[in-house]
Amino acid sequence: EVQLLESGGGLVQPGGSLRLSCAASGFTFSTYGMSWVRQAPGKGLEWVSEVGGAGDSTRYADSVKGRFIVSRDNFKNTVYLQMNGLRADDTAIYYCAKDVGTGNYPDYWGQGTLVTVSS
Amino acid sequence: QLVLTQPPSASASLGASVKLTCTLSSGHSNYAITWHQQQAEMGPRYLMKLNSDGSHSKGDGIPDRFSGSSSGAERYLVISSLQSEDEADYYCQTWGTGILWVFGGGTKLTVL
Repeated sequence: EVQLLESGGGLVQPGGSLRLSCAASGFTFSTYGMSWVRQAPGKGLEWVSEVGGAGDSTRYADSVKGRFIVSRDNFKNTVYLQMNGLRADDTAIYYCAKDVGTGNYPDYWGQGTLVTVSS
Repeated sequence: QLVLTQPPSASASLGASVKLTCTLSSGHSNYAITWHQQQAEMGPRYLMKLNSDGSHSKGDGIPDRFSGSSSGAERYLVISSLQSEDEADYYCQTWGTGILWVFGGGTKLTVL
């Protein structure tokens, strides 16, 4: 059974940093890309970032480019999202998602972790 | 620009069927999409991939009550024999170059 468990969310001041983690199990982790998707309070889903299976390819939404860094540790079956220069509009639930083989869509999601950016 | 448009709300009675719509922007009518369900206070759940010809493949454990169809730029999610647990937000998603994944705004389904 595929399981994705996010952690690391919390309250942070504007301009601060936070690192999210997503521990994966139930599949051959290094074979699949992993993505982060966020959902602001009462809003829809927004794709944030993606890292390829080997960890050597990354992509970002324009809204986070230059501030967020996605990475993965294939020995620990964990993907990370380092968030720097946080702003109020980064406040959201952050979901980790497993990419389908082609990377075109998510076929499994985590339960999410809440990030609140506020002074 | 690749955009997915969904009506914000829909409703149907318990035991009835409902058809949710996702519309692809002009020039993208041949794109495949996926459907995802998000129940209250939970993470999304992948339901199916839906191709432009109406063929679809469902995720693990998705009941037969859930199906999909396509017509031109419209993609549909059909839920039959509605149950109370089907009350949720439903999102369509597709993919493009540059921005990896594009989501529709979501449809809130109320089961009466």
